[in-house]
Parts: sequence; C-alpha cells; structure tokens
Amino acid sequence: QLQLQESGPGLVKPSETLSLTCTVSGGSISSSSYYWGWVRQPPGKGLEWIGNFHYSGSVYYNPSLRSRVTISVDSSKNQFSLRLTSVTAADTAVYYCARPNGLITAPFYFDSWGQGTLVTVSS
Amino acid sequence: EIVLTQSPVTLSLSPGERATLSCRASQSVTSTSLAWYQHKAGQAPRLLIYGASSRATGIPDRFSGSGSGTEFTLTINRLEPEDFAVYYCQQYDRSPPGYTFGQGTKLEIK
Repeated sequence: QLQLQESGPGLVKPSETLSLTCTVSGGSISSSSYYWGWVRQPPGKGLEWIGNFHYSGSVYYNPSLRSRVTISVDSSKNQFSLRLTSVTAADTAVYYCARPNGLITAPFYFDSWGQGTLVTVSS
Repeated sequence: EIVLTQSPVTLSLSPGERATLSCRASQSVTSTSLAWYQHKAGQAPRLLIYGASSRATGIPDRFSGSGSGTEFTLTINRLEPEDFAVYYCQQYDRSPPGYTFGQGTKLEIK
C-alpha cells in the first residue's frame, strides 16, 4: 500500500526558505507511471496546488508560486522535496505531498496523500 | 484560469438524510478532469470520485458523482456519522497543466 509522509521544520522565519521532504513507501518515485506533487492548505482556507514533477524531469508549478518554488527528487532515498523561497506569513499552511494519477499525459486527480505537516512562518 | 464555486458553503443535515453538493465551473470542464475529495480535520484528503462519476477504490456506493460542462454534483445517500466533513471539488487543466480546487462545502450534523 502506497504511503507518503511529510517531514521538515514546523517554523520558518519570514524571508527565509521553507524546505520539506516527502518519503514514499510502498511504491517507487522512479516509476515512469506517476507524477508526484505538493498541495497546501492555509489555516481556514481551501486547498491550493503547488506543483508536480515526474522522474523523467518534467515539472510544472502553480503560476502564482513558480518564481519561488522548486521540487526535486532523491531517488536513492525514495524521497522528493519542496523548497519555497522568500516566505511570508501568507505561506503558513498545512503542506501535503500527494500522488497525481489518471493518464501520464494528464494526471487528473490525486489518489494518495500524506497526513500533512503544518508550517508556520513567523519571527 | 477556471474557477470552481461550491455551494452551499455549509450544509446541515441529519444522519440518514441525503446530501447534495454542487460544484460550478467558470467555463466548461471535461468530465474526465473533475474529482471530489472528503477532508476531515487533521487527516489527509480522501479521493472519493474521479472522472466526475467514478468512485475511487474502497468508496461506498452511497457516494455518487454526476454532471458535465459547468455543473457537477456530489450526492451522498443515507448519511453516516463518518460522512460529516468538508468536501472539495477539483479540476485539472491540460494547458497549461495545473489544478484548481473549489472553496469547499462543510457538511455538518444538524
């Protein structure tokens, strides 16, 4: 059974870089069949997609975050990571890693999610 | 960018009743790209419906999805206590690739 688990600091200072890691078990992030992604939820608000990547190197980001986001992979550890630079209080959210699924050319929906990790941006 | 508007914002019902949740898109959406999720506080979102009407693995048949174009509906028959949660619709754009979510409908116990 596929499992995803987020990890990383729960507190980040304004203007610094948020870094999170998602560890995948029960499946390989090197699989050509799937993308992997990040979604966040600010307190009291709805879900916001951050970005997806494929092991082949294909990556795409939410245009509203593109200038600050990088998703990378460490296949030796079966992990992928999120970096978000120049954070502000508006980046305070629960961050989820998730697996998009559907067609490899169009991963329509997210069928597996991590439990989420709260990241607070505050000095 | 396609905007998804869910209604109502809050729905108060009793166990055993039927819930009807609406998701309206600002422009036509292909049915294959429309999904619904259940989200409980402190838990991971759970995929319920994909392709507008296909139930995800392990989802009870009291959950059903329907609709096309700009109007989509999630129906939950015979509400169980565990069904009270927040529900989100989501759509996928091919060009440029990306996802948008509705703002959510909170289904609460009356």
